[in-house]
Amino acid sequence: KNEVEQSPQNLTAQEGEFITINCSYSVGISALHWLQQHPGGGIVSLFMLSSGKKKHGRLIATINIQEKHSSLHITASHPRDSAVYICAARGAVDKLIFGTGTRLQVFP
Amino acid sequence: NAGVTQTPKFQVLKTGQSMTLQCAQDMNHNSMYWYRQDPGMGLRLIYYSASEGTTDKGEVPNGYNVSRLNKREFSLRLESAAPSQTSVYFCASSEYPETSGYNEQFFGPGTRLTVL
Repeated sequence: KNEVEQSPQNLTAQEGEFITINCSYSVGISALHWLQQHPGGGIVSLFMLSSGKKKHGRLIATINIQEKHSSLHITASHPRDSAVYICAARGAVDKLIFGTGTRLQVFP
Repeated sequence: NAGVTQTPKFQVLKTGQSMTLQCAQDMNHNSMYWYRQDPGMGLRLIYYSASEGTTDKGEVPNGYNVSRLNKREFSLRLESAAPSQTSVYFCASSEYPETSGYNEQFFGPGTRLTVL
C-alpha cells in the first residue's frame, strides 16, 4: 500500500462542474502539498497546508489531520484546469512523498 | 529570475554510456532535489542536498551520483546508464529551512531521458 494515495486516478468533467480530488496518507506529516503538472510536463506548487483550509481563486484545499485526508476542490471548472494534480506528504525533514496523481480533463 | 533551469531537455543514451544532468537555481535556496517520474508512479526522490557540500540519498539512489557544486548548482550523474533509468528527471529547490513558514518546492522543466 502506498503511503500517499489519491483518488480518482482519472477524472473527466464538463466545463463549469465542481471537481473534488482526494488524497489519503498513512504517514505522520508536517504538511501536505498540492501540485499541478501541466500537459507540457511543468510542475507548480498550488498549496501547502498543515491544518484547515486554503483558497486561491477557484481552488480550495482542505485537510483533516485526524482522518489523514486532504481534498482539492475546483469550482466552476474550465478546460484550462486540465492537468495532473499531485498531492505530496511532507515529513519531519524536507522530503516529500508523492501520490501518483489524478489526471483531470475538463471539456467545453 | 529564471527559477530552476535544467539541461538538457531531452537525451538518448545507449546502455553503458554516462552523462550528467545539470540543474541550477537563482533563488538563493538552500535545499535542492533530484526526482524521477515514471508512468503510474509518483515522483521519487533520488538525492537531496540540504546545503552546499552536503548530499543525502533518497528513495532510489542506486546508479546515480550527485554533486552540489555550490549553492546554485546540483548535478546528477549516471555513470553507466541502464534501460531502467529511462525516465523523466526533475530538479527542484526550496528555501528549507524556511524563514517564511511556507516551504514551496520549485521545479525545473524536466529532462526526458531514454536509455536504449
